[in-house]
Amino acid sequence: DTAVSQTPKYLVTQMGNDKSIKCEQNLGHDTMYWYKQDSKKFLKIMFSYNNKELIINETVPNRFSPKSPDKAHLNLHINSLELGDSAVYFCASSDGTGPRETQYFGPGTRLLVL
Amino acid sequence: GENVEQHPSTLSVQEGDSAVIKCTYSDSASNYFPWYKQELGKRPQLIIDIRSNVGEKKDQRIAVTLNKTAKHFSLHITETQPEDSAVYFCAASGGAQKLVFGQGTRLTINP
Repeated sequence: DTAVSQTPKYLVTQMGNDKSIKCEQNLGHDTMYWYKQDSKKFLKIMFSYNNKELIINETVPNRFSPKSPDKAHLNLHINSLELGDSAVYFCASSDGTGPRETQYFGPGTRLLVL
Repeated sequence: GENVEQHPSTLSVQEGDSAVIKCTYSDSASNYFPWYKQELGKRPQLIIDIRSNVGEKKDQRIAVTLNKTAKHFSLHITETQPEDSAVYFCAASGGAQKLVFGQGTRLTINP
């Protein structure tokens, strides 16, 4: 069974376009996250939701907007894509209310902006 | 906020030898320290974690030690095997409701 899944796996698009990435977890976890991994492999948190409520919003351009329709789903919409948005975006989930529990990562979405 | 420094950035060891990766953290409120392994093109996966009420934890060939006074923790892999080749990340979690990751260590096991 897939625990944390993301779609699409690959996304190639032109600058200025708008795109969405979807994430679903079937672990029954309360908390979900979006991370960005840049070309140097650095993993940085972008957003965190607990039971559909935003609890972490890092210094991320407001072109990035997360949405959690229910606690099993956390989507990421990106407006006006820029070259610097090219990265791998990972969704993750954990039980409980915070990051002191094991985080389970999705397979990642490799975004390339041309 | 929390800042995690990880060293070395790359590490190459002979198969069968031991590998040690070290991390330091800045926030004394941090109390959870996981280690993740990321193989090429794959997702990060937890390999071991330690909480601040414990000084050492072992799981077969992998061990983690924590020194709260010095604010550093280390990953030890013994009897390394080719499948241990990957990027390893340490992380720390404190009162800020988030995991802060180190910069990663690319470990290469030479046969």
